Amino acid sequence: EIVLTQSPATLSLSPGERATLSCRASQSVNSYLAWYQQKPGQAPRLLIYDASKRATGIPARFSGSGSGTDFTLTISSLEPEDFAVYYCQQRRNWWTFGQGTKVEIK
Amino acid sequence: QVQLVQSGAEVRKPGASVKVSCKGSGYSFTNYALHWVRQTPGQRLEWMGWINGGNGNTRYSQKFQARVTITRDTSASTTYMELNSLKSEDTAVYYCARVDSSGGGWFDPWGQGTLVTVSS
Repeated sequence: EIVLTQSPATLSLSPGERATLSCRASQSVNSYLAWYQQKPGQAPRLLIYDASKRATGIPARFSGSGSGTDFTLTISSLEPEDFAVYYCQQRRNWWTFGQGTKVEIK
Repeated sequence: QVQLVQSGAEVRKPGASVKVSCKGSGYSFTNYALHWVRQTPGQRLEWMGWINGGNGNTRYSQKFQARVTITRDTSASTTYMELNSLKSEDTAVYYCARVDSSGGGWFDPWGQGTLVTVSS
């Protein structure tokens, strides 16, 4: 099983600041990586797929990068609605998820 | 728009079974595969399995292989996930999720989730 490790566990930032979230895979997943956003009481929502492609309707402030084992989700300037939990997911070998990074208001 | 609507919350005793439904609308049901994912109280997401909407073929995670069955009813555009021999550790929110339109195998959209509580 491919294990995805996300860091940090919690990111405390203010609106307008830049958020950088990391996801590391236990073995190469090529570019088969996605990012999801989950707000309390809601299902996850697809943000980024194939490491760097934005899903339909996702604002340009969200961007993804990386390949192989190291990936980054960047939110260029945090909006109030961006405070949530973010998960990475791979589909190189079945599907597994990271444990999540919570972006909270500082 | 594409929508997945799941059945309501369930409470079961240890050793029992539960069957959760997921009704799709706004798209051609047989053209898309559908996955089941659960989220534990610790917020971890676990992939359970998937079903091909067209031919009904299924694949399951090794962790759930012996206890889970995913089926579909094309006439009702509904997919079902049945989990047997329930334990307290199966208490979780269960989600269905369709594969995304890009054909890449990502999960988009998701159902609203169904809370399953296993308690004696």
